[in-house]
Amino acid sequence: DIVMTQSPDSLAVSLGERATINCKSSQSVLNTSNNKNYLAWYQQKAGQPPKLLIYWASTRESGVPDRFSGSGSGTDFTLTISSLQAEDVAVYYCQQHYSTPPYTFGQGTKLEIK
Amino acid sequence: EVQLVESGGGLVQPGGSLRLSCAASGFTFNNYWMSWVRQAPGKGLEWVANIKEDGSEKYYVDSVKGRFTISRDNAKNSLYLQMNSLRAEDTAVYYCVRSKEGGRARPLDYWGQGTLVTVSS
Repeated sequence: DIVMTQSPDSLAVSLGERATINCKSSQSVLNTSNNKNYLAWYQQKAGQPPKLLIYWASTRESGVPDRFSGSGSGTDFTLTISSLQAEDVAVYYCQQHYSTPPYTFGQGTKLEIK
Repeated sequence: EVQLVESGGGLVQPGGSLRLSCAASGFTFNNYWMSWVRQAPGKGLEWVANIKEDGSEKYYVDSVKGRFTISRDNAKNSLYLQMNSLRAEDTAVYYCVRSKEGGRARPLDYWGQGTLVTVSS
């Protein structure tokens, strides 16, 4: 199974500042036949189910603010929030959905306001 | 509007069984792979199982293989998870989740609110 490791486990950022969360997979999730990275990012606010933010490593889901962006390829990926807003306080998860299941998640990164 | 509504959770003794249901609406159910994802109290997300649009392919995480069975009834727009031989470590909120259209290896774009399963004596 592919192991997903996020860093850091928690993060405190000031309002308006940049937040960066990293995700590393134990093997490549890049499908070379279509050049897509099978990597998604989810946001989970307290008491709510997760919400899809980014897929194919860098494609924003419809309705997601453009301050959220994803980057990376192969085994190393990053979620960036360019200017942190109060409503962005949440736990963020990466997930690989490459090839055959199981489609594993990272352990989560808790984002708070400094 | 896409809606996924889980039911069937509750308290069950170790070794017992439970069947979760998910009622789907607002989309053409038989066009999508569907999944169950769980979250133990205060913990992260764990992908549990998924099933192909027509039910012909099913996949499971190793920890539930042989104990859990995912199924669907496209005529009723419903997804199910039969859970047998339950263990304390199966205690979690179970989410019914839709995959983006286009095949098995797709991100999870709609989530239900979840149903809590507690395994305890």
